[in-house]
Amino acid sequence: GDSVTQMEGPVTLSEEAFLTINCTYTATGYPSLFWYVQYPGEGLQLLLKATKADDKGSNKGFEATYRKETTSFHLEKGSVQVSDSAVYFCALSQSNYQLIWGAGTKLIIKP
Amino acid sequence: NAGVTQTPKFQVLKTGQSMTLQCAQDMNHNSMYWYRQDPGMGLRLIYYSASEGTTDKGEVPNGYNVSRLNKREFSLRLESAAPSQTSVYFCASRDTGRQVRTEAFFGQGTRLTVV
Repeated sequence: GDSVTQMEGPVTLSEEAFLTINCTYTATGYPSLFWYVQYPGEGLQLLLKATKADDKGSNKGFEATYRKETTSFHLEKGSVQVSDSAVYFCALSQSNYQLIWGAGTKLIIKP
Repeated sequence: NAGVTQTPKFQVLKTGQSMTLQCAQDMNHNSMYWYRQDPGMGLRLIYYSASEGTTDKGEVPNGYNVSRLNKREFSLRLESAAPSQTSVYFCASRDTGRQVRTEAFFGQGTRLTVV
């Protein structure tokens, strides 16, 4: 079946460092791909999305490119801030009504 | 525009008590979902409703029941709460009317403790 694999956390970085959180997926067909962010004590918010191969989703300085050849959707940011500390989830949606979720990656940014 | 609203935000139950978690969305979405999130863990799907009048089991349905009351509302009931059901519960909705590869919108969660 379909699956999403994220790099394990926590990922700890210093402020202004470059961020990459890896996400790879297994799916038949052409899923849409998403990154969600969850701040402490809150629900999940959509961060960015991509609906077809080679699409780049971007928001708040974060970017991710839908790579069908490597089945990946890695999240990147050029310069992280303390306020980016959160849990990040990668997910895909296929031609049914369910979303497939990664396990989440906790990001800790130190000043 | 409120989005997805969950009530209550916090609840403490004694083992064996019952309760219903309420969820409503004002985005006219077809599909609605209930997830649980345990500390340090990801999301696990309890039940979902692809459209009004239909419900389906997810990954962890045991101990729960759901009702899709109308297009807006999707409730989750714990008939006899157990400590293992201590978790944070999230409701979500999606617009799957024209195509299904859409994003989900989440409520703020209900933090449930069973003692």
